[in-house]
Amino acid sequence: KQEVTQIPAALSVPEGENLVLNCSFTDSAIYNLQWFRQDPGKGLTSLLLIQSSQREQTSGRLNASLDKSSGRSTLYIAASQPGDSATYLCAVSGGRMDSSYKLIFGSGTRLLVRP
Amino acid sequence: DTGVSQDPRHKITKRGQNVTFRCDPISEHNRLYWYRQTLGQGPEFLTYFQNEAQLEKSRLLSDRFSAERPKGSFSTLEIQRTEQGDSAMYLCASSLGPALSGGNTGELFFGEGSRLTVL
Repeated sequence: KQEVTQIPAALSVPEGENLVLNCSFTDSAIYNLQWFRQDPGKGLTSLLLIQSSQREQTSGRLNASLDKSSGRSTLYIAASQPGDSATYLCAVSGGRMDSSYKLIFGSGTRLLVRP
Repeated sequence: DTGVSQDPRHKITKRGQNVTFRCDPISEHNRLYWYRQTLGQGPEFLTYFQNEAQLEKSRLLSDRFSAERPKGSFSTLEIQRTEQGDSAMYLCASSLGPALSGGNTGELFFGEGSRLTVL
C-alpha cells in the first residue's frame, strides 16, 4: 500500500529565505508526482507535475525534483514571500498494479513566511 | 470557466439529514475522482469513475455514501443519514484516462471543494 510522508509538518521562515519541503513515498513504481498548494478553506492548486521518467520540473521560483528509486521528492522555493504562506501537499499516482491515476496524498507542510 | 466546478461550496446540515454534492469535470475528461479532506490532513481517495463506470471504491466509502455519474459527465456524491464525523471538505477532480491520449500525463485537476458541516 502506497504511503506518502511529508516533512516538516510545519515551517516558519523569514521573508527572502530559500526553503526545501520534503516528500517520501513507499512504492517507487509511481506514474507521476504532483505538488499542490492549498490556502485555508480552499481547493487544491496544482504547482508542478513530474512524470516518472523525469527528474525535475521548474516553474518560476519553484523547483521540484524526483528520485524515484529512493522514493523521494523535494520542492524548493526560492526567495520566499509572505504570499507563499499556505499548505503544500505532495501526492503520487500509480504504484504496483494501479492504473487508476488516483493520487495518494501526504498530510502536507504548513508554511508561514514572516514579513 | 472550463475548470472543475463543485456545488454547493458550503453546506450546513443537521445530523441525520441527507446531503448531495455535484461535480462538473473538465468537459473532455473521462475520469472523475472524489476525495474527502478533514482538517489538518491530506485528501483521502473515496472513489473514481471512468465515463459512467465506477471502477474503484475506497473502504472509506461506507454504505451511507453513494456516488453516481449517470451519463459520464457530471457526478453526484450523496451522504445519507449524516453524522458529525462526515464533516469535511469533499473534493472532486478530473483527468484524461490513458486510452484518450498517448501523451497523457495523468494530471488531476481539482475543484474548489464542497465543505460540509454536520451539526
